[in-house]
Amino acid sequence: EAQVTQNPRYLITVTGKKLTVTCSQNMNHEYMSWYRQDPGLGLRQIYYSMNVEVTDKGDVPEGYKVSRKEKRNFPLILESPSPNQTSLYFCASKKRYEQYFGPGTRLTVT
Amino acid sequence: QQPVQSPQAVILREGEDAVINCSSSKALYSVHWYRQKHGEAPVFLMILLKGGEQKGHDKISASFNEKKQQSSLYLTASQLSYSGTYFCGTEMVNNYGQNFVFGPGTRLSVLP
Repeated sequence: EAQVTQNPRYLITVTGKKLTVTCSQNMNHEYMSWYRQDPGLGLRQIYYSMNVEVTDKGDVPEGYKVSRKEKRNFPLILESPSPNQTSLYFCASKKRYEQYFGPGTRLTVT
Repeated sequence: QQPVQSPQAVILREGEDAVINCSSSKALYSVHWYRQKHGEAPVFLMILLKGGEQKGHDKISASFNEKKQQSSLYLTASQLSYSGTYFCGTEMVNNYGQNFVFGPGTRLSVLP
């Protein structure tokens, strides 16, 4: 089944403890992206990647890192999480026009 | 800069029609529409490209006026399954790739 997977689905952590949210797609898509979703603000792009080793900042990249060493994987790294990074995170991959979203990761930073 | 959507929320009875608007202060080269049901991931509905075309998906259609930098989503004879939050979005193409920007969303509730 064609899909985008994210892990973990839920995470509660404390300020400053490094964490990684994994994202993987099995559709051989070149384009991948991370979004955060907050009430009233919609989906805001954090980082995107056009292909392996090619990444660029979206609208809200502060406090996040990404890497794209393989085509299928695009992990999101929070080196020192803060409470304002509490949010719902979506990974997506795209072929041509349509973006396919993962199920989301709900992160709470206390 | 985020596209602007209106209304923020709308409540309908089954069978009624609705229009959701999306506008941008920057030039739009394409407009994407997505729907997100409660507790789920967004799902692609359609894309409109430059040219003022109108596209449709079942009883959901959309138009794109690039001169006015506006798009509208039309939901005809709403069904209960149409409930959800609708997002418009657009690509900002630069030298490095495609930054994607979504609007804040319009929450649609269809009641029996």
